[in-house]
Amino acid sequence: EAQVTQNPRYLITVTGKKLTVTCSQNMNHEYMSWYRQDPGLGLRQIYYSMNVEVTDKGDVPEGYKVSRKEKRNFPLILESPSPNQTSLYFCASSPPEGSYEQYFGPGTRLTVT
Amino acid sequence: QKEVEQNSGPLSVPEGAIASLNCTYSDRGSQSFFWYRQYSGKSPELIMFIYSNGDKEDGRFTAQLNKASQYVSLLIRDSQPSDSATYLCAVIRRGGSYIPTFGRGTSLIVHP
Repeated sequence: EAQVTQNPRYLITVTGKKLTVTCSQNMNHEYMSWYRQDPGLGLRQIYYSMNVEVTDKGDVPEGYKVSRKEKRNFPLILESPSPNQTSLYFCASSPPEGSYEQYFGPGTRLTVT
Repeated sequence: QKEVEQNSGPLSVPEGAIASLNCTYSDRGSQSFFWYRQYSGKSPELIMFIYSNGDKEDGRFTAQLNKASQYVSLLIRDSQPSDSATYLCAVIRRGGSYIPTFGRGTSLIVHP
């Protein structure tokens, strides 16, 4: 089944404790991206990648890191999480041609206390 | 000015009516336009995309694009309670990545 998977789905952590949210897709898509979704603010792009070893900042990259060492994986790293990073996070992938439809993962709900 | 603007709603319509959702965008050179539906607690899913001026129909859904006025709309005919969700407008800007920018979404409530 074609899909984007994220882990963990739910995470409660404390300020400053490094964490990684994994994202993997099995559709051989070149493009991958991370969004955060907050009430009243919609989906905001954090980072995106157009291919292996090619990443770029989105609209809200502060406090986040990403890497793209393999085509299928695009982890999101919070080196020192803070409470303002409490949010719902979505990973997405899309093909480099056609409709550019975004295929979203199920989401990761992160709470930083 | 935000790049993609939507009225947050909620937009409330009776079952069987036409729901009209609107979106405006700031980059005149934007090239691709999408409507995603998101149920509460779930991930967004694509309903329709449109590239060219005019209307595009798919079942009960019609997307309308007017590049001169920089707006895109989504019409839902014969609205059903199962259509109650947040509808996200997304735009791919020219000259950049092919990763879309999303509006904040419009909440639609279809009441029986």
